[in-house]
Amino acid sequence: KAGVTQTPRYLIKTRGQQVTLSCSPISGHRSVSWYQQTPGQGLQFLFEYFSETQRNKGNFPGRFSGRQFSNSRSEMNVSTLELGDSALYLCASSLLRTGSTSTDTQYFGPGTRLTVL
Amino acid sequence: DQQVKQNSPSLSVQEGRISILNCDYTNSMFDYFLWYKKYPAEGPTFLISISSIKDKNEDGRFTVFLNKSAKHLSLHIVPSQPGDSAVYFCAASVDQAGTALIFGKGTTLSVSS
Repeated sequence: KAGVTQTPRYLIKTRGQQVTLSCSPISGHRSVSWYQQTPGQGLQFLFEYFSETQRNKGNFPGRFSGRQFSNSRSEMNVSTLELGDSALYLCASSLLRTGSTSTDTQYFGPGTRLTVL
Repeated sequence: DQQVKQNSPSLSVQEGRISILNCDYTNSMFDYFLWYKKYPAEGPTFLISISSIKDKNEDGRFTVFLNKSAKHLSLHIVPSQPGDSAVYFCAASVDQAGTALIFGKGTTLSVSS
């Protein structure tokens, strides 16, 4: 079974631009979460999508947004880029079984390295 | 305010010895705890987890201990192997689904042969 894939792997943008990152979850996985990793703040939760709906949201400004498509693929968008948005953006998917009382494991993709100049 | 803290940025251990990685948390609402391992240029890989109703979970060479009263958990790796050298992240979740994880900043483990 193929893992979580993220495109592109590397991206360079300039301040003020916007960027869209893509994530394809493991086949059959319905939940997709996004995280930002920076040297200073570590791994921080951005948001989670399940069945095309945002189910959880972290503490990030409205410039960060996302969406999920009917095939569970997800995109995240960052508008009006700032230098501080330079980070590794990680996507993770999980099965999220309906009615399950146990926690599903999140599987991470390799990330997209965004550099803002 | 950091809800999940890994106070040791790095740990060096000899091959065959025990590695103990520590993690503290502040939010008593956390219901589920996980450890992830990360190699450079890769995403984190799930290692082991523990529910707040347990105090120990074991999987091969990896054991996680949870002390709820102290809000502390630890990951034991026995015996340590050079391939275990990586960054280890402690994570916690208030959501049973575990899809909105709060991570610590990581501990870099170096296992020398």
